[in-house]
Parts: sequence; structure tokens; C-alpha cells
Amino acid sequence: QKEVEQDPGPLSVPEGAIVSLNCTYSNSAFQYFMWYRQYSRKGPELLMYTYSSGNKEDGRFTAQVDKSSKYISLFIRDSQPSDSATYLCAMTSGGSYIPTFGRGTSLIVHP
Amino acid sequence: DTEVTQTPKHLVMGMTNKKSLKCEQHMGHRAMYWYKQKAKKPPELMFVYSYEKLSINESVPSRFSPECPNSSLLNLHLHALQPEDSALYLCASSQDLAGRYEQYFGPGTRLTVT
Repeated sequence: QKEVEQDPGPLSVPEGAIVSLNCTYSNSAFQYFMWYRQYSRKGPELLMYTYSSGNKEDGRFTAQVDKSSKYISLFIRDSQPSDSATYLCAMTSGGSYIPTFGRGTSLIVHP
Repeated sequence: DTEVTQTPKHLVMGMTNKKSLKCEQHMGHRAMYWYKQKAKKPPELMFVYSYEKLSINESVPSRFSPECPNSSLLNLHLHALQPEDSALYLCASSQDLAGRYEQYFGPGTRLTVT
């Protein structure tokens, strides 16, 4: 079992839909969680990071962490074609600054 | 400003060439990283510099040689590469290695080894 599991997709949704992207993890020491967006042939862009369970909101994006279930989510409201990209989750334990990445989910938002 | 810059954007080199990749950040970050990314895979850590000293080398072949001339700059020197080294090379930085873990990535250098 990999430390971080993420469905590679692709996930195809119509414009305006609410998108839910998820990762599960097995290492209970993980306590710092990040979401990156990566467009094709570009570097990953940090979208959200959070240190605690609960929700964190930034514009159309909401990051949710449930440490008891070892499950994190990224919600995108009112999705746009420009949101089409690969979304990577990443997480670290308190004693390590090296993130463990999920394999990424490919999202396609069609007009 | 959360920008990490990388040059060149694209590089094609032969197996006998010597070339260098460059990375720069002006966020005052004290940790800098080199990653390698193959298509449809997550980034794979190569090196970590902390306060300009090499902190981690993930068993990377010696044909890759990192250098950190100062706290803002990171280089990756390439020599005698193999075709399987073709990939997107990403530089990243973070504030430090204790307490602030979020990493900011550059746009990458797409390397093709012929």
C-alpha cells in the first residue's frame, strides 16, 4: 500500500460543477497538507496548505482534512475550463520537510 | 511575491555535453530543492539544500551535480547524461526546514537528452 493514494482520473465535469478531489493516506504522522495544481508541461503551483483538521477556504477552493479518517479533499466551486489541470496532494510529517506526493488527479472541465 | 524562476525553459543536449540548469528565488527562503518529474508521475526528490549546504542527496547518479552559490541561487550541473534522464526538472524553495513546509515550485526546465 502506498503512503498516499490518489485516483489518477481523468475526472471530466461540465463547467460550473462542484469538483471534489481526494487523497487518502496511511501514515498517521502526516500533519501538514498541501494541494498543488499543475498545468501540462509546467511546474506545480501551490494552491492550499493546512496544518489542521477542518476546512480552509480560499476563493473557489476549499481544502478539507479529516485526520481521524486519514482523508483529505479539495473542493472547487463553479469550475471553469481554466481549472483543467492535474491536481497533486502532498503531505509531510512533523519531523520531515520532504513532502510525499500523491500521483495526481487529471481534471477536465468542459464548456 | 512567491516566484521561483528557472532557466532555460527547454534544453536539448547530447550524451557527451555539459550543461547547467539555473534556479533563483528572492523570497528569502533558506531551503531549496531539485526534483525530477516524468510524464504523468509526481515530482521525485533529487537534492535538498538548507542554508546553502547540501542536506539530502537521494542517491542521485554523479552525472548530476548540484551547487548552491548563495541563498538565492541553485544550479544543477549536467554531464554525460543518458536518454532516460530526459524529464522536467523542477526547482522549489521553502522558508526553512522547520515549521514552514510549503514548497513553491518554478516552471521547470524540460530536458531532452539525445
